[in-house]
This record gives sequence, C-alpha cells and structure tokens, in this order.
Amino acid sequence: QVQLQESGPGLVKPSGTLSLTCAVSGGSISDTNWWNWVRQPPGKGLEWIGEMYHVGSTNYNPSLKSRVIISVDKDKNQFSMRLSSVTAADTAVYYCARREFGSVGMDVWGKGTTVTVSS
Amino acid sequence: EIVLTQFPATLSLSPGERAILSCRASQTVSTFLAWYQQKPGQAPRLLIYDASKRATGIPARFSGSGSETDFTLTISSLEPEDFAVYYCQQRSNWPPLTFGGGTKVEI
Repeated sequence: QVQLQESGPGLVKPSGTLSLTCAVSGGSISDTNWWNWVRQPPGKGLEWIGEMYHVGSTNYNPSLKSRVIISVDKDKNQFSMRLSSVTAADTAVYYCARREFGSVGMDVWGKGTTVTVSS
Repeated sequence: EIVLTQFPATLSLSPGERAILSCRASQTVSTFLAWYQQKPGQAPRLLIYDASKRATGIPARFSGSGSETDFTLTISSLEPEDFAVYYCQQRSNWPPLTFGGGTKVEI
C-alpha cells in the first residue's frame, strides 16, 4: 500500500524559497502515476499546485507556474517542490498526493505539512 | 480554466437524513470529475471518481451522478462520521486541475 510523507521547513521568510519533499513508500516513484502537490491556506479550500510524471513531464497551475518547480528523485524514491519568492499568501498546509495515470482523482495523500511565511 | 461552483456552501442536517451536494462546471468536463471528503486536520479522502464510481473502501451510502456541467454527490443516510467538508475536482481540461470551493455538511 503506497504511503506518502511530506517533509520540510515549517517557517520560510518572505521572498525566500519554500522547499518540500514527499517520500514514497510501499511503491515506486517510477510507477505509472502523476505525483501532485496541493495546498490549503488556513480556513480555505484546496488549490492544485502541479504534478510530475516520473519520466519528467510536468503540469503546473498557471497561477504559480513562474515560481514553482516539481522534480523527482528516483534514487531516493521521492519527489519535491520548490516555490520561490514566497509571500504571506503562500502560508498553507501543503499536501503531496498520487494520481494514477489516466485517472481523475488523487487516491493517496500525505498527511500534510504546515508552512508559514513570516519574518 | 474550468471553474467549479459548489452549492450550497453549508448543509445543516441530522444523522439519518439524506444529503445532496451539487457541483457545477463553467464548461463541460464530461465525467472527468471526482469528489473528496475532508475532516478537520486531515487530508482529503477520495470518495468518487469518473463522476459516479466509488473509490476503494467507500461505503455504498455515497453515490455520485451527473455529466457535462452538473454533478451531484448523494449521501443516502448520514452517519455521524460523514459530517465534514466535501470538494469536487475536475480533470477534463488541465492544467490546471481545479477544485470547487467546498460544501460543509454540519449537524
């Protein structure tokens, strides 16, 4: 059974870069899946950040595309996200999630990690 | 970008009652629609995919219907653990994948 676990700093300074990693266990990062990042500001709804397929294809939310990079590390069986030039508006719970290739929904989620942007 | 509008924003019901949640897309998404349940402090949980197919382990009291632009999630008889926020999400025309704003089902 695939499990996902997010990790990364809980506090990032404004104008800095937010870097998170999602470790995949119980399965391979090279399986036919899209690996996603989703965030949720405090008290608000879900926002899709982007996704990556293991062979290198990526899709990003146009609203964040200029600031975000998602990458895969096959050796470590994990994927990562970097969000640059952060502001307080980037404060949120960040989730990693799996979407099987060709599927509509994300069926496996990490527990989420809270990131606060503050000086 | 396809906008998903969920209504009502809040649904106040009692255990045992039927809940009907709606999701409307700004343009057709065929049946490329999913529903999630989210409880406080937890990650979303996939309930329905392809508009009407229950995800693994989801009880039969949850059902999805609809196509094109209008979709419904029905909970036939609310259990205490069903009081949560529900989101719809489309994958028809992406990027971006988009979510609706959510419907809170409260007691």
